Amino acid sequence: NAGVTQTPKFQVLKTGQSMTLQCAQDMNHEYMSWYRQDPGMGLRLIHYSVGAGITDQGEVPNGYNVSRSTTEDFPLRLLSAAPSQTSVYFCASTPPGSDTQYFGPGTRLTVL
Amino acid sequence: DQQVKQNSPSLSVQEGRISILNCDYTNSMFDYFLWYKKYPAEGPTFLISISSIKDKNEDGRFTVFLNKSAKHLSLHIVPSQPGDSAVYFCAATAYNNNDMRFGAGTRLTVKP
Repeated sequence: NAGVTQTPKFQVLKTGQSMTLQCAQDMNHEYMSWYRQDPGMGLRLIHYSVGAGITDQGEVPNGYNVSRSTTEDFPLRLLSAAPSQTSVYFCASTPPGSDTQYFGPGTRLTVL
Repeated sequence: DQQVKQNSPSLSVQEGRISILNCDYTNSMFDYFLWYKKYPAEGPTFLISISSIKDKNEDGRFTVFLNKSAKHLSLHIVPSQPGDSAVYFCAATAYNNNDMRFGAGTRLTVKP
Protein backbone atom coordinates (compact mmCIF):
# COMPACT_ATOMS: atom_id res chain seq x y z
CA ASN A 1 0.00 0.00 0.00
CA ALA A 2 1.27 3.47 -0.87
CA GLY A 3 -0.98 4.99 1.81
CA VAL A 4 -1.88 8.63 1.19
CA THR A 5 -0.04 10.33 -1.65
CA GLN A 6 0.00 14.02 -2.51
CA THR A 7 1.26 15.88 -5.56
CA PRO A 8 3.00 18.18 -6.08
CA LYS A 9 5.41 18.43 -3.14
CA PHE A 10 6.13 22.09 -3.81
CA GLN A 11 4.31 24.74 -5.84
CA VAL A 12 4.75 28.46 -6.40
CA LEU A 13 1.80 30.43 -7.79
CA LYS A 14 1.17 34.03 -8.66
CA THR A 15 -1.84 35.80 -7.17
CA GLY A 16 -4.95 34.98 -9.17
CA GLN A 17 -3.69 31.73 -10.64
CA SER A 18 -5.61 28.52 -10.17
CA MET A 19 -4.38 25.06 -9.41
CA THR A 20 -5.40 21.67 -8.07
CA LEU A 21 -3.63 19.83 -5.29
CA GLN A 22 -3.95 16.11 -5.79
CA CYS A 23 -4.57 13.54 -3.07
CA ALA A 24 -5.04 9.80 -3.43
CA GLN A 25 -5.27 6.86 -1.06
CA ASP A 26 -5.26 3.14 -1.73
CA MET A 27 -6.66 1.96 1.60
CA ASN A 28 -10.32 2.15 0.56
CA HIS A 29 -11.06 4.72 3.27
CA GLU A 30 -14.37 6.51 2.92
CA TYR A 31 -13.42 9.56 5.01
CA MET A 32 -10.87 11.98 3.56
CA SER A 33 -9.94 15.49 4.57
CA TRP A 34 -7.76 18.48 3.72
CA TYR A 35 -5.88 20.56 6.28
CA ARG A 36 -3.62 23.54 6.11
CA GLN A 37 -0.78 24.06 8.55
CA ASP A 38 0.36 27.56 9.40
CA PRO A 39 2.93 28.65 12.02
CA GLY A 40 1.32 29.06 15.43
CA MET A 41 -2.04 27.75 14.17
CA GLY A 42 -1.64 24.00 14.05
CA LEU A 43 -3.65 22.12 11.43
CA ARG A 44 -6.99 23.56 10.38
CA LEU A 45 -9.62 21.58 8.51
CA ILE A 46 -10.52 22.99 5.09
CA HIS A 47 -12.95 20.45 3.61
CA TYR A 48 -13.77 16.83 4.21
CA SER A 49 -15.64 14.00 2.52
CA VAL A 50 -17.40 11.01 4.06
CA GLY A 51 -17.59 9.15 0.76
CA ALA A 52 -17.77 9.48 -3.01
CA GLY A 53 -20.12 12.27 -3.99
CA ILE A 54 -20.32 13.76 -0.47
CA THR A 55 -18.25 16.73 0.68
CA ASP A 56 -18.61 19.31 3.42
CA GLN A 57 -16.88 22.40 4.76
CA GLY A 58 -14.46 22.44 7.63
CA GLU A 59 -13.15 25.30 9.72
CA VAL A 60 -11.51 27.35 6.92
CA PRO A 61 -13.21 26.53 3.57
CA ASN A 62 -13.17 29.94 1.88
CA GLY A 63 -11.14 30.06 -1.33
CA TYR A 64 -11.09 26.30 -1.78
CA ASN A 65 -13.27 23.82 -3.65
CA VAL A 66 -13.32 20.04 -3.46
CA SER A 67 -15.02 17.16 -5.21
CA ARG A 68 -15.04 13.41 -4.59
CA SER A 69 -15.89 11.39 -7.67
CA THR A 70 -14.10 8.23 -6.50
CA THR A 71 -13.21 6.70 -3.14
CA GLU A 72 -9.50 6.99 -3.96
CA ASP A 73 -9.16 10.64 -4.99
CA PHE A 74 -9.92 13.89 -3.21
CA PRO A 75 -8.49 16.91 -5.08
CA LEU A 76 -8.38 20.41 -3.59
CA ARG A 77 -8.86 23.34 -5.97
CA LEU A 78 -7.73 26.91 -5.55
CA LEU A 79 -9.72 28.93 -8.07
CA SER A 80 -7.90 32.26 -7.60
CA ALA A 81 -4.85 31.97 -5.37
CA ALA A 82 -4.14 34.64 -2.76
CA PRO A 83 -0.99 35.23 -0.65
CA SER A 84 -3.04 34.26 2.43
CA GLN A 85 -3.20 30.74 1.01
CA THR A 86 0.55 30.30 1.34
CA SER A 87 0.75 27.28 3.60
CA VAL A 88 1.54 23.61 3.86
CA TYR A 89 -1.41 21.46 2.84
CA PHE A 90 -2.03 17.97 4.18
CA CYS A 91 -4.49 15.42 2.95
CA ALA A 92 -5.62 12.64 5.28
CA SER A 93 -7.82 9.58 5.21
CA THR A 94 -9.50 7.71 8.06
CA PRO A 95 -10.54 4.06 8.34
CA PRO A 96 -14.18 3.31 9.16
CA GLY A 97 -15.02 3.38 12.85
CA SER A 98 -11.81 5.20 13.71
CA ASP A 99 -10.75 8.75 14.47
CA THR A 100 -7.12 8.04 13.62
CA GLN A 101 -6.12 9.87 10.47
CA TYR A 102 -3.39 8.84 8.03
CA PHE A 103 -1.70 11.89 6.58
CA GLY A 104 0.05 12.39 3.28
CA PRO A 105 3.50 14.01 3.10
CA GLY A 106 2.12 17.47 2.36
CA THR A 107 2.29 20.11 -0.37
CA ARG A 108 4.14 23.34 0.34
CA LEU A 109 2.38 26.13 -1.53
CA THR A 110 3.69 29.66 -1.93
CA VAL A 111 1.51 32.36 -3.47
CA LEU A 112 3.37 35.47 -4.57
CA ASP B 1 -11.16 30.53 18.13
CA GLN B 2 -8.58 27.97 19.11
CA GLN B 3 -10.44 25.27 20.95
CA VAL B 4 -7.28 23.24 21.48
CA LYS B 5 -4.25 24.99 22.88
CA GLN B 6 -0.66 23.94 23.32
CA ASN B 7 0.88 26.82 25.19
CA SER B 8 4.49 25.68 25.01
CA PRO B 9 5.90 26.14 21.50
CA SER B 10 9.04 24.23 22.41
CA LEU B 11 10.50 21.87 25.00
CA SER B 12 14.04 20.63 25.44
CA VAL B 13 14.95 17.61 27.59
CA GLN B 14 17.96 15.41 28.16
CA GLU B 15 18.03 11.90 26.78
CA GLY B 16 16.72 9.40 29.31
CA ARG B 17 14.63 11.96 31.20
CA ILE B 18 10.86 12.42 31.07
CA SER B 19 9.22 14.68 28.49
CA ILE B 20 5.83 16.16 29.42
CA LEU B 21 3.81 17.88 26.74
CA ASN B 22 0.65 19.69 27.73
CA CYS B 23 -2.61 20.47 25.97
CA ASP B 24 -5.74 22.36 27.04
CA TYR B 25 -9.13 22.46 25.40
CA THR B 26 -12.19 24.64 25.78
CA ASN B 27 -14.99 22.66 24.10
CA SER B 28 -16.71 20.42 26.64
CA MET B 29 -18.20 18.37 23.78
CA PHE B 30 -14.80 16.91 22.92
CA ASP B 31 -14.68 13.28 23.98
CA TYR B 32 -11.77 11.80 22.08
CA PHE B 33 -8.23 13.07 22.10
CA LEU B 34 -5.20 12.18 20.02
CA TRP B 35 -1.52 12.98 19.83
CA TYR B 36 0.29 13.13 16.52
CA LYS B 37 4.02 13.34 15.91
CA LYS B 38 5.49 15.18 12.96
CA TYR B 39 9.00 15.10 11.54
CA PRO B 40 10.17 17.81 9.11
CA ALA B 41 8.94 17.41 5.52
CA GLU B 42 6.59 14.57 6.53
CA GLY B 43 2.93 14.34 7.38
CA PRO B 44 1.82 13.89 10.99
CA THR B 45 1.64 10.31 12.23
CA PHE B 46 -0.67 9.01 14.92
CA LEU B 47 0.98 8.36 18.26
CA ILE B 48 -1.59 7.63 20.96
CA SER B 49 -5.20 8.47 21.83
CA ILE B 50 -7.56 8.51 24.77
CA SER B 51 -11.31 8.44 25.15
CA SER B 52 -13.06 10.64 27.68
CA ILE B 53 -14.20 7.56 29.59
CA LYS B 54 -10.60 6.96 30.62
CA ASP B 55 -8.10 9.11 32.46
CA LYS B 56 -4.96 7.32 31.32
CA ASN B 57 -3.76 5.36 28.31
CA GLU B 58 -0.34 3.81 27.99
CA ASP B 59 1.58 2.50 24.99
CA GLY B 60 5.18 1.59 25.65
CA ARG B 61 7.13 4.73 26.51
CA PHE B 62 4.13 6.96 25.82
CA THR B 63 1.35 7.70 28.29
CA VAL B 64 -1.49 10.17 27.86
CA PHE B 65 -3.33 11.52 30.90
CA LEU B 66 -6.72 13.20 30.70
CA ASN B 67 -8.19 15.51 33.34
CA LYS B 68 -11.72 16.24 32.16
CA SER B 69 -12.61 18.63 34.96
CA ALA B 70 -9.59 20.79 34.09
CA LYS B 71 -10.02 20.22 30.33
CA HIS B 72 -6.37 19.27 30.22
CA LEU B 73 -4.35 16.43 28.82
CA SER B 74 -0.70 15.64 28.83
CA LEU B 75 1.65 13.30 26.99
CA HIS B 76 4.49 11.72 28.95
CA ILE B 77 7.45 10.16 27.20
CA VAL B 78 9.70 8.05 29.42
CA PRO B 79 12.55 7.65 28.79
CA SER B 80 13.01 10.27 26.12
CA GLN B 81 15.21 9.38 23.15
CA PRO B 82 16.84 11.60 20.52
CA GLY B 83 14.56 10.01 17.89
CA ASP B 84 11.60 11.51 19.76
CA SER B 85 12.68 14.97 18.62
CA ALA B 86 9.74 16.18 16.54
CA VAL B 87 6.70 18.45 16.66
CA TYR B 88 3.83 17.00 18.69
CA PHE B 89 0.25 17.98 17.95
CA CYS B 90 -2.65 17.50 20.30
CA ALA B 91 -6.05 16.95 18.62
CA ALA B 92 -9.62 16.62 19.83
CA THR B 93 -12.95 15.64 18.38
CA ALA B 94 -16.52 14.99 19.48
CA TYR B 95 -18.54 11.83 18.92
CA ASN B 96 -20.20 11.70 15.52
CA ASN B 97 -18.51 14.94 14.53
CA ASN B 98 -16.26 15.06 11.49
CA ASP B 99 -14.44 18.19 12.64
CA MET B 100 -11.14 17.48 14.40
CA ARG B 101 -9.35 20.41 16.05
CA PHE B 102 -5.60 20.58 16.45
CA GLY B 103 -3.34 22.54 18.74
CA ALA B 104 -0.50 24.64 17.38
CA GLY B 105 2.10 22.01 18.25
CA THR B 106 5.07 21.71 20.61
CA ARG B 107 8.57 21.17 19.23
CA LEU B 108 10.36 18.62 21.40
CA THR B 109 14.14 18.41 21.30
CA VAL B 110 15.80 15.52 23.10
CA LYS B 111 19.51 16.14 23.61
CA PRO B 112 21.96 13.22 23.72
